[in-house]
Amino acid sequence: DTGVSQDPRHKITKRGQNVTFRCDPISEHNRLYWYRQTLGQGPEFLTYFQNEAQLEKSRLLSDRFSAERPKGSFSTLEIQRTEQGDSAMYLCASSYGLAGTETQYFGPGTRLLVL
Amino acid sequence: AQSVTQLGSHVSVSEGALVLLRCNYSSSVPPYLFWYVQYPNQGLQLLLKYTSAATLVKGINGFEAEFKKSETSFHLTKPSAHMSDAAEYFCAVSDMAGNNRKLIWGLGTSLAVNP
Repeated sequence: DTGVSQDPRHKITKRGQNVTFRCDPISEHNRLYWYRQTLGQGPEFLTYFQNEAQLEKSRLLSDRFSAERPKGSFSTLEIQRTEQGDSAMYLCASSYGLAGTETQYFGPGTRLLVL
Repeated sequence: AQSVTQLGSHVSVSEGALVLLRCNYSSSVPPYLFWYVQYPNQGLQLLLKYTSAATLVKGINGFEAEFKKSETSFHLTKPSAHMSDAAEYFCAVSDMAGNNRKLIWGLGTSLAVNP
């Protein structure tokens, strides 16, 4: 068990460019979450997968954002036409179970800076 | 809707002193509550969680928290602070509406430990 990994750890891009982040959850974890964290704030929920199905998207996730989890394994989060307001830390977490008591394990995050 | 409020965005203590970080929750159903710690440039790590078993929950690194329903609180304590405890601490509640079980977060408390 190597934990949740995210790639890249840091990304600097120019406004208007597209970026894609990858998350590899702990193997056999059926739940995968994406959160966004800005400076001085707690994480905010973006989207959730149960296996390969994307079951919920936050209203924070505009139509420029898309996420996938093919075959219920790794997940990608793409941001099209980036804006300076997209600058944040993007966190991925995975868990196993349904009760609400299970622990979400977090990756180290991808820090995005849009210039 | 469920929510958590962390009182005090910054807490400073001396090494060896008691650490008390406050968290109050709002929930119409019995809550599942979590404390996570975030060290600089690292991901979120679970300290402890309350899942309706014992009201006094012991976690890693000498931290513990007590669930008090009458006060809707889940404060985090540690008897004696260590320099290595300096970090950002987040309280969160598991969203029990629907099936996604996403975490709803407080704004965080930054703990400084002075020598």
